[in-house]
Amino acid sequence: GENVEQHPSTLSVQEGDSAVIKCTYSDSASNYFPWYKQELGKRPQLIIDIRSNVGEKKDQRIAVTLNKTAKHFSLHITETQPEDSAVYFCAARPPLRYNQGGKLIFGQGTELSVKP
Amino acid sequence: DSGVTQTPKHLITATGQRVTLRCSPRSGDLSVYWYQQSLDQGLQFLIQYYNGEERAKGNILERFSAQQFPDLHSELNLSSLELGDSALYFCASSVGWGAGGRTDTQYFGPGTRLTVL
Repeated sequence: GENVEQHPSTLSVQEGDSAVIKCTYSDSASNYFPWYKQELGKRPQLIIDIRSNVGEKKDQRIAVTLNKTAKHFSLHITETQPEDSAVYFCAARPPLRYNQGGKLIFGQGTELSVKP
Repeated sequence: DSGVTQTPKHLITATGQRVTLRCSPRSGDLSVYWYQQSLDQGLQFLIQYYNGEERAKGNILERFSAQQFPDLHSELNLSSLELGDSALYFCASSVGWGAGGRTDTQYFGPGTRLTVL
């Protein structure tokens, strides 16, 4: 079935450094890839997303890249700040032949810690 | 605040019991999704409703059922509860049903924390 692998599971960086989180998906026809940030005890919040017809998308300090050939996508956070500390989840939406709806398959999450 | 509301925030119950979780989507959203988040399983998709009809199903247990009402709010019913059902249950909503485009962005509610003792 559909699967999303996410690495690393934990990531610790110094304030001001960059952080990169990588995800790999199993179905090459997956077409939508959102990233969510979840603070402890809170809801997952969408921070950025990318669709399969786009290779890269940027929003201020956050960027996502998609490599359809390799079936992987990455989240890049530059100039990290302590408030970036949270768990980050990648997700992929399987193609309609398997999924007559909008369900998302999530990675296992990356706990990012930004040390001041 | 995403605009998605869920009640109750916390629920503590015993094994074998039945509970109902409620979700109200953002104004204008027609799809409601239910996800289960446990420590060892991450975020797992359970079921999606679109405008009152079941649209997609994940690995939802037979003891669990859901429905979406004419006013678009949704309820997730969990019965014969087991210790392993303890988890955070999130509801998300989107405008569309999953065909693609901006209407499929999913916004999550604050979740219901279920503890089964």
